[in-house]
Amino acid sequence: DTGVSQDPRHKITKRGQNVTFRCDPISEHNRLYWYRQTLGQGPEFLTYFQNEAQLEKSRLLSDRFSAERPKGSFSTLEIQRTEQGDSAMYLCASSSLNSGRYNEQFFGPGTRLTVL
Amino acid sequence: GQNIDQPTEMTATEGAIVQINCTYQTSGFNGLFWYQQHAGEAPTFLSYNVLDGLEEKGRFSSFLSRSKGYSYLLLKELQMKDSASYLCAVRDSNYQLIWGAGTKLIIKP
Repeated sequence: DTGVSQDPRHKITKRGQNVTFRCDPISEHNRLYWYRQTLGQGPEFLTYFQNEAQLEKSRLLSDRFSAERPKGSFSTLEIQRTEQGDSAMYLCASSSLNSGRYNEQFFGPGTRLTVL
Repeated sequence: GQNIDQPTEMTATEGAIVQINCTYQTSGFNGLFWYQQHAGEAPTFLSYNVLDGLEEKGRFSSFLSRSKGYSYLLLKELQMKDSASYLCAVRDSNYQLIWGAGTKLIIKP
């Protein structure tokens, strides 16, 4: 396992459609994070899992957003009834108490969503 | 509220030295991270400070003053490949990362 992977890398959809993204963390990491990033901004926290438990959700995460991590391994992020304002890069990161030297988060390559 | 400030953009010359500043106000402090992000790519970890002082790592150094809520990233012997955004992030009392908007560094020959 060489790192965090995300699928798809790019997604173009029409407004009103539903989309689902997948993240596979580094296998021994028990923490998984979803962020949203728009051009010229830092990552905005969306939600966080420790194992299969979703421990925190940002106020940014409207009712149209849902995330799961059913077996404490991969995670999915679903956006229902997409809006043009949802266009962004969606980043996944993972970590654990023993990850790296400083428990730093390791990021996947991101999924770029474009809503037309 | 929680806030992290860093300059939006900086320009430097190849071979020179540049210092990127970051000031923060957060609920609790459990370390400060610097990440590098090339355009269209994911952030990659550069450095970490939790105690006051300077951490050196090759051409990159990072400094922290907790009493001033201040950090800087120092890049020496700049190379064209250093053109990227540099993100400052603080781990707060909930062990979550609070991110700055990033500083876009442009290197000119």
